[in-house]
Amino acid sequence: AQSVTQPDIHITVSEGASLELRCNYSYGATPYLFWYVQSPGQGLQLLLKYFSGDTLVQGIKGFEAEFKRSQSSFNLRKPSVHWSDAAEYFCALDPSGGYNKLIFGAGTRLAVHP
Amino acid sequence: DTAVSQTPKYLVTQMGNDKSIKCEQNLGHDTMYWYKQDSKKFLKIMFSYNNKELIINETVPNRFSPKSPDKAHLNLHINSLELGDSAVYFCASSQGVSLSTDTQYFGPGTRLTVL
Repeated sequence: AQSVTQPDIHITVSEGASLELRCNYSYGATPYLFWYVQSPGQGLQLLLKYFSGDTLVQGIKGFEAEFKRSQSSFNLRKPSVHWSDAAEYFCALDPSGGYNKLIFGAGTRLAVHP
Repeated sequence: DTAVSQTPKYLVTQMGNDKSIKCEQNLGHDTMYWYKQDSKKFLKIMFSYNNKELIINETVPNRFSPKSPDKAHLNLHINSLELGDSAVYFCASSQGVSLSTDTQYFGPGTRLTVL
């Protein structure tokens, strides 16, 4: 069965520190993978997506993610976190070959200390 | 300008009632979606419409009925509300149906509480 696991429910980092949010997936073929961010009271916003090619994907707001097939992972990273990055982050998988049928992880809530 | 808007933002109602949530997008997109986010934050797609035609219909009780009067609107009507329907419902839209080229834009969500 296809699934997405985000092992960390809640992460706290200091402003300026580096960040890595973990995402593991279960899928038999090459997955389409996404990271979304949800700020309080807002809808989800796409940060980046991976379909094929270069396994290191650059996104908006200084985020990047690396696809590692051997580890079934698609971890999100940022070298220096800003207070405005505090939000809920969702990893998602599209098992329908790119036809918009997203399966989401449970999310990781990021808190940023000043 | 709000790209994808939903009304109401909060909805509190009694079990057994019928309620509707409205969604509108001003992006000129052809495809719209409804997602349900439960208390454990799991987001799950419910429906998807492309050019007013239903293209994704996940395993959802038939008490839930989407209605798309035009490409810019996708409303969700729920009959005989149950406690388990309490959740946050998100509307989204995209230009087409292919995630390789079409980003989904989400609305702010409607928090439904059934008492």
